[in-house]
Amino acid sequence: DSGVTQTPKHLITATGQRVTLRCSPRSGDLSVYWYQQSLDQGLQFLIQYYNGEERAKGNILERFSAQQFPDLHSELNLSSLELGDSALYFCASSVDFSGSSYNEQFFGPGTRLTVL
Amino acid sequence: AQSVAQPEDQVNVAEGNPLTVKCTYSVSGNPYLFWYVQYPNRGLQFLLKYITGDNLVKGSYGFEAEFNKSQTSFHLKKPSALVSDSALYFCAVRPSGNTPLVFGKGTRLSVIA
Repeated sequence: DSGVTQTPKHLITATGQRVTLRCSPRSGDLSVYWYQQSLDQGLQFLIQYYNGEERAKGNILERFSAQQFPDLHSELNLSSLELGDSALYFCASSVDFSGSSYNEQFFGPGTRLTVL
Repeated sequence: AQSVAQPEDQVNVAEGNPLTVKCTYSVSGNPYLFWYVQYPNRGLQFLLKYITGDNLVKGSYGFEAEFNKSQTSFHLKKPSALVSDSALYFCAVRPSGNTPLVFGKGTRLSVIA
């Protein structure tokens, strides 16, 4: 158990809908990362938050957004869903003190999103 | 731009034999290198990392990796494979500074009894 929790584990929805994925980082970790894992694209970095602020952005679509709350949990919002958004969405957390990018990330179990 | 290559999609090895999962990287400056393992229906688990210092890094579950700067490689190794090592292995690189991890496409390791 990594200490990172994600809910829900599975999500089945229809095209055009909007969903919210939730992540709680390990106790003490300030950084939260979101990744998308699909068979054809592999593991893609979406976005990072550090202590409530956006720190880095990867291949995140405009239909997707995220935020990190004062208690450090994070939510990833996916809207206008398309079939191609079906994937595993992982959250990871790390300590990541300012300037230290060598800390390993701890991954949650993931949310499997299926868009029908 | 930084990149990671895992040249083998699949590696098969007999139980008890040594295993190697290959990784090469391309990044400017001194990289931070990581190996993660993913078991079916699970998240990624951290195995080991190279930051600086000794080129041979030891990690969890008996795994080790050798950093080779001249060949820009960071191959994962284990002296004696177990059936339970069968999983998907990811190499990742993070250039120094505040940049995201870049993952390779993964190598599926199958250890046969």
